Amino acid sequence: AQSVTQLDSHVSVSEGTPVLLRCNYSSSYSPSLFWYVQHPNKGLQLLLKYTSAATLVKGINGFEAEFKKSETSFHLTKPSAHMSDAAEYFCVVSDTQRALTFGSGTRLQVQP
Amino acid sequence: EAQVTQNPRYLITVTGKKLTVTCSQNMNHEYMSWYRQDPGLGLRQIYYSMNVEVTDKGDVPEGYKVSRKEKRNFPLILESPSPNQTSLYFCASSPEWDSPNQPQHFGDGTRLSIL
Repeated sequence: AQSVTQLDSHVSVSEGTPVLLRCNYSSSYSPSLFWYVQHPNKGLQLLLKYTSAATLVKGINGFEAEFKKSETSFHLTKPSAHMSDAAEYFCVVSDTQRALTFGSGTRLQVQP
Repeated sequence: EAQVTQNPRYLITVTGKKLTVTCSQNMNHEYMSWYRQDPGLGLRQIYYSMNVEVTDKGDVPEGYKVSRKEKRNFPLILESPSPNQTSLYFCASSPEWDSPNQPQHFGDGTRLSIL
């Protein structure tokens, strides 16, 4: 069985400061891990994915995530937040397409 | 443009009145899936399809039906909707069912309200 825990339901940062969204997972296999972003009234958009290549994964819009097997973590970071980053972010784990498990989401607020 | 299209985007209806939410993708993807999104619960998978005429239950299939008669379409059917099916629904597709590193492409969602 696999599961995902997003440790913060809500994160608020000031524009220009770093962003950290935390995700821990459990999986019986070598998982694939994803971060998706959801803007209001929109579907989910892929930010980045980890598939057992490099442990530091670079995504779109300046986001990165680091896969740490020993800590079973896949935290999402960005050096400097923009107002347009305000959205909900989902961490997702998958060992096969038939078992795609979503975290409960982290809402990111960016203050001017 | 590659996309997953859901219709309708919004629907308010009453308990027991059958409804269908359509989903269509233009990417020739094998795998399609339906999710519901509820506050604090993330997305939960309702049904998925690995190819034409191949469907299976996800985590929360009760009260829903699906069919996959053509590769591009994967409608979600609520035979007798109830208020607890009020939710935001997403359809998604990906190229191959057995490739976990293939990201899913999502539609823009359908907000259903069952009164």
